[in-house]
Amino acid sequence: AQTVTQSQPEMSVQEAETVTLSCTYDTSENNYYLFWYKQPPSRQMILVIRQEAYKQQNATENRFSVNFQKAAKSFSLKISDSQLGDTAMYFCAFMRDQYGNKLVFGAGTILRVKS
Amino acid sequence: ETGVTQSPTHLIKTRGQQVTLRCSSQSGHNTVSWYQQALGQGPQFIFQYYREEENGRGNFPPRFSGLQFPNYSSELNVNALELDDSALYLCASGGGNSYEQYFGPGTRLTVT
Repeated sequence: AQTVTQSQPEMSVQEAETVTLSCTYDTSENNYYLFWYKQPPSRQMILVIRQEAYKQQNATENRFSVNFQKAAKSFSLKISDSQLGDTAMYFCAFMRDQYGNKLVFGAGTILRVKS
Repeated sequence: ETGVTQSPTHLIKTRGQQVTLRCSSQSGHNTVSWYQQALGQGPQFIFQYYREEENGRGNFPPRFSGLQFPNYSSELNVNALELDDSALYLCASGGGNSYEQYFGPGTRLTVT
């Protein structure tokens, strides 16, 4: 069974600064997908960024980028130029393959951006 | 906006009752997954439906059941409610050429 671990229950960052959220996972699969989701107080789960395990290049979406270390089974999220609207719960999630029928989520990291 | 809607937004039920939660998926998405998110925790996979049939189930008892309809809507039914069933219930649709899942805003269920 796959597991996802987020070791930082809470993080805070000053507006305009950079913050990195950590995620590790455990799997015996070789082909899989990793995601970061954002859940603001409104509860809507929003996809932030995704990474296919077969791609060596780290994914980037505007201010969001990942550091994917397949051998170490590590998948961290870097948020640059943090904005107040980035305040939310962030979840790291794993999907076994493109036909996988479930997302396995970590426990989440609460990120607070301070002005 | 993900195009996925859920109803109702909030619901209060009494232990032992039955509840039905509804989800409307994005057009063209042939899978719908349901997740339970207890307060302060990550979502837990309940089950997925693909083309109106169950396609995988998490560690939830049979009193959690579902239906998927041809019009991209689906239901989650929970019988004999227990206090621990109090949670946010999320549905997510996906499929087609994408492996991504798009979440609805959730239904907050409180069991008293």
